[in-house]
Amino acid sequence: EAQVTQNPRYLITVTGKKLTVTCSQNMNHEYMSWYRQDPGLGLRQIYYSMNVEVTDKGDVPEGYKVSRKEKRNFPLILESPSPNQTSLYFCASGMGRYNEQFFGPGTRLTVL
Amino acid sequence: ILNVEQSPQSLHVQEGDSTNFTCSFPSSNFYALHWYRWETAKSPEALFVMTLNGDEKKKGRISATLNTKEGYSYLYIKGSQPEDSATYLCAFRHFGNEKLTFGTGTRLTIIP
Repeated sequence: EAQVTQNPRYLITVTGKKLTVTCSQNMNHEYMSWYRQDPGLGLRQIYYSMNVEVTDKGDVPEGYKVSRKEKRNFPLILESPSPNQTSLYFCASGMGRYNEQFFGPGTRLTVL
Repeated sequence: ILNVEQSPQSLHVQEGDSTNFTCSFPSSNFYALHWYRWETAKSPEALFVMTLNGDEKKKGRISATLNTKEGYSYLYIKGSQPEDSATYLCAFRHFGNEKLTFGTGTRLTIIP
């Protein structure tokens, strides 16, 4: 089944404790992206990647890192999480010339 | 950050009625406009990707139009059904840039 998977789905952590949210897609998509969803603010793009070893900042990259060592994986790294990073995070991969997005199930992160 | 606005923010429609809502985006350097449907507790799903001025797309009872010169797109739902209840998101992509900027969505509730 074609899909985007994310792990973990739920995470409660404390300020400053490094964490990684994994994202994997099995559709051979070149484009992958991370978004955060906050009430009243819509989906905001954190980072995106056009291909292996090619990443670029979205609109809200501060406090996050990403890597794209393999085409299928695009982990999101929070080196020192803070409470303002409490949010719902979506990974997506993109298909076609205009990058129609296929979204993962979401990761709800709480930073205490 | 590009400004993508959706109106109204929320909408209640009687079952069987038709409805429409708007996405406004910058009219310069247009590349693509996406529409997504996001049901509660699920992930956003792509409805349409529109790229040409005057584009009209249709999927069942849902259709969309695009005016790139004036910077707006309409989404229409004909004969609303309870399963149409969802948040509808649009996303704009600027020419020469791989970022996707989402609007905050229109939350549609169909009243049986």
